[in-house]
Amino acid sequence: DAGVIQSPRHEVTEMGQEVTLRCKPISGHNSLFWYRQTMMRGLELLIYFNNNVPIDDSGMPEDRFSAKMPNASFSTLKIQPSEPRDSAVYFCASSLEQLRNTEAFFGQGTRLTVV
Amino acid sequence: AQSVTQPDIHITVSEGASLELRCNYSYGATPYLFWYVQSPGQGLQLLLKYFSGDTLVQGIKGFEAEFKRSQSSFNLRKPSVHWSDAAEYFCAVGVGYALNFGKGTSLLVTP
Repeated sequence: DAGVIQSPRHEVTEMGQEVTLRCKPISGHNSLFWYRQTMMRGLELLIYFNNNVPIDDSGMPEDRFSAKMPNASFSTLKIQPSEPRDSAVYFCASSLEQLRNTEAFFGQGTRLTVV
Repeated sequence: AQSVTQPDIHITVSEGASLELRCNYSYGATPYLFWYVQSPGQGLQLLLKYFSGDTLVQGIKGFEAEFKRSQSSFNLRKPSVHWSDAAEYFCAVGVGYALNFGKGTSLLVTP
């Protein structure tokens, strides 16, 4: 398996523009996570999907952020409109069943820069 | 609230020297503990995990960690560090379905 695949690896956009980050989880995994990594706050969970259903989105910073998982093999994280403070590395991770019984596999991340 | 503390932001060791990275957690129940490594520009890779049983856990790349309930610690160790071990190391506690990460320790390896 190729692991968790994220695209793009790097994204530079202007403030106010819409940004869409993409994730393909490992085949067969039914849990998907979006994390954000910044120097100030470290790694934060944004949203968790189980069987394509959003279970916990309490980490989503504000209404400008939205995430979807239309099927088991694809998820998106959208920021509209983007702001400079959204600049961070965004990671997608997937796992099989409950976290306690397995490990979360991370993608290589998308480095977002909003100028 | 559940939390993870990594007291050392940066650590520098000489190649071949031993390494210990500290991790303390705050969690009411039996924790599920993880160590991840992040190389520059890369995602996070799992080094090892503790769920239950033997408190000394072996991982990949020659790493091990010891769970000490009395000290609420899960320190990562390696007897002899290689230059390729230079990276960011994250301790995490499993809380329900998610991971709570520490802020990380950056490891620099000198010749």
